[in-house]
Amino acid sequence: DGGITQSPKYLFRKEGQNVTLSCEQNLNHDAMYWYRQDPGQGLRLIYYSQIVNDFQKGDIAEGYSVSREKKESFPLTVTSAQKNPTAFYLCASSIFWRERGEDEQFFGPGTRLTVL
Amino acid sequence: SQELEQSPQSLIVQEGKNLTINCTSSKTLYGLYWYKQKYGEGLIFLMMLQKGGEEKSHEKITAKLDEKKQQSSLHITASQPSHAGIYLCGADMDSGNTPLVFGKGTRLSVIA
Repeated sequence: DGGITQSPKYLFRKEGQNVTLSCEQNLNHDAMYWYRQDPGQGLRLIYYSQIVNDFQKGDIAEGYSVSREKKESFPLTVTSAQKNPTAFYLCASSIFWRERGEDEQFFGPGTRLTVL
Repeated sequence: SQELEQSPQSLIVQEGKNLTINCTSSKTLYGLYWYKQKYGEGLIFLMMLQKGGEEKSHEKITAKLDEKKQQSSLHITASQPSHAGIYLCGADMDSGNTPLVFGKGTRLSVIA
C-alpha cells in the first residue's frame, strides 16, 4: 500500500537532547513537508523540500534541521536550540509539478514529541 | 497574521443536526482543500475546490467555494458521531509550487 509512515508515534526526550523524527513515503512524490501542530494553532510549516538534496525553511524553522538525501525520506531533527519542542509533528508529501490548485498533500499519522 | 481564518473555533452539535464551518481568506485562492483529523492522528483529505462557485459533495458533507475564490464553507447534513474531529482548511495561496497554508481548525463534537 502506498502512503507515508512516521516513526515513532510517541517520543520522549530529556531537555537538551537532540532527537530525530522519521518520515518515509512510497508515493514517488517529489515534495515533502514538516508541520508542527499545537492546540489552537493549526498547522505551522517547519521545513519543506521540493526535490532531493534541496530544502527550504518554513515559518518556524529555528531550532530544527532536515536533510533530503533520498526521495523517499525526509527526517526532521529537533535540536536542543528549539525552546518549546513539545508538540505533535506531521509529515506530508505531494507531487511537485502540479497543475495550479491540484496540490493535495498526503499526511502521515504524526509523532507526538514530549520533552521531559 | 493568519492568512486563512476558520470559524467557528469549536462546535458542539446534537446528533442529527446540520452544521457549517467556514474558511475565509483576504486573497484569491488558487485551490482550497478540506481535511479532517481525529485527535492525535494524521489528516485525511476530504475535498478540493478549485473553481469559483464550485461545489462538491461526498456522503453527507458538501463543500463550496465562492465566486471570488476567497471563502469556502463545509456543510454537514444530519451529523453523526463519526463526524466528530478537527476540520482544517488548507489553501494554495499563490501560483508557485509552494506549501499549502492551513487555518487553525474547527473542533467538532457531536453529542447523542
